[in-house]
Amino acid sequence: GAGVSQSPRYKVAKRGQDVALRCDPISGHVSLFWYQQALGQGPEFLTYFQNEAQLDKSGLPSDRFFAERPEGSVSTLKIQRTQQEDSAVYLCASSPADRGLGEQYFGPGTRLTVT
Amino acid sequence: GDSVTQMEGPVTLSEEAFLTINCTYTATGYPSLFWYVQYPGEGLQLLLKATKADDKGSNKGFEATYRKETTSFHLEKGSVQVSDSAVYFCALKAGGGADGLTFGKGTHLIIQP
Repeated sequence: GAGVSQSPRYKVAKRGQDVALRCDPISGHVSLFWYQQALGQGPEFLTYFQNEAQLDKSGLPSDRFFAERPEGSVSTLKIQRTQQEDSAVYLCASSPADRGLGEQYFGPGTRLTVT
Repeated sequence: GDSVTQMEGPVTLSEEAFLTINCTYTATGYPSLFWYVQYPGEGLQLLLKATKADDKGSNKGFEATYRKETTSFHLEKGSVQVSDSAVYFCALKAGGGADGLTFGKGTHLIIQP
């Protein structure tokens, strides 16, 4: 069956550009998470959606980062005025359970390089 | 805050060797503990989990026991195969409603034939 998909898989942006990263979760999954994984590090939590509601955005590193999930399925992570420190792999995960209580299924990630 | 510490890699072993990857954690409340694995070119996959003290998670010959007294969740396998070569991440989900997982830095395991 279809898993979590993310697009694009690779993105190169010049410093100062805006980018939008897309996540298609597993159909019917209530919970959706975004993580940021820097090179050689583990993923770090950014934000959490339960259906269309963004219940936790405590991990977003600055107000340049914005996420939405308007219809409770596809989600977009937007980064405005990208900086070099934003270079990382951005992972999306979905779960059938509320509030991360169940297994999280991860997508392949989008590798963002800011030059 | 919550944190996970796991042994640095890469860890290189011969096929059929015994594997231990150490993981310790700091968390408030009673977290759930996980091991995730990332095979080359693939996304993170849940390997095993334990939700309370003394629980043992197991899958594909791997085991880990939730030790509250030592705040540890070490990953073990009795006889590794070349196909076990991957990056392994220890993670926790804190109690008290925190939503995301807290991951360690990952341990790269290389199994040589």
